[in-house]
Amino acid sequence: AQTVTQSQPEMSVQEAETVTLSCTYDTSENNYYLFWYKQPPSRQMILVIRQEAYKQQNATENRFSVNFQKAAKSFSLKISDSQLGDTAMYFCAFMKQRDDKIIFGKGTRLHILP
Amino acid sequence: EAGVTQFPSHSVIEKGQTVTLRCDPISGHDNLYWYRRVMGKEIKFLLHFVKESKQDESGMPNNRFLAERTGGTYSTLKVQPAELEDSGVYFCASSPDRGTQYFGPGTRLTVL
Repeated sequence: AQTVTQSQPEMSVQEAETVTLSCTYDTSENNYYLFWYKQPPSRQMILVIRQEAYKQQNATENRFSVNFQKAAKSFSLKISDSQLGDTAMYFCAFMKQRDDKIIFGKGTRLHILP
Repeated sequence: EAGVTQFPSHSVIEKGQTVTLRCDPISGHDNLYWYRRVMGKEIKFLLHFVKESKQDESGMPNNRFLAERTGGTYSTLKVQPAELEDSGVYFCASSPDRGTQYFGPGTRLTVL
């Protein structure tokens, strides 16, 4: 069975700093997708970034980038120049190719401090 | 374009009562998913509809949970009778294909 582990339940950083959220996963699959979702307080969960396992290049979306290490089964999220609006719960997630079940980690609550 | 909507946003009921949660997916999305997050635990998959058909209901915890999607548009998730351990946040998501899923804001269910 696949599992996703986020080892940091909560983090705080100052505005404008760079922060890295950790995620590891366990699977015997070779083809899959990895995601980072963000849920701001009292708002809905939105997709931050998506990575296909067959792509070696790390995905980036503006200030958000990932460090995907397939052999190590690691998928960390880096937020550069953090902003107050980045305060949210961040979920790392996994989905097998040709499957529809997303498997989530427990989440990391990130606080950006002014 | 409107996102996934869920109703109600909060529901507080007593053990043994019935509750029905509703999800309206993004228009045109054939795939609809239900997930649940129990306090302190991971968000877990419950089931997947393709149009009005249940594609995968392997995550449904027991027969007290009934999901429907009549007409392939909105979906309801009924819990009858509710138990204390059913408390949590119920998320709905939709997708136009078997790719990125777009989530709703969730319904927070509290069973007393």
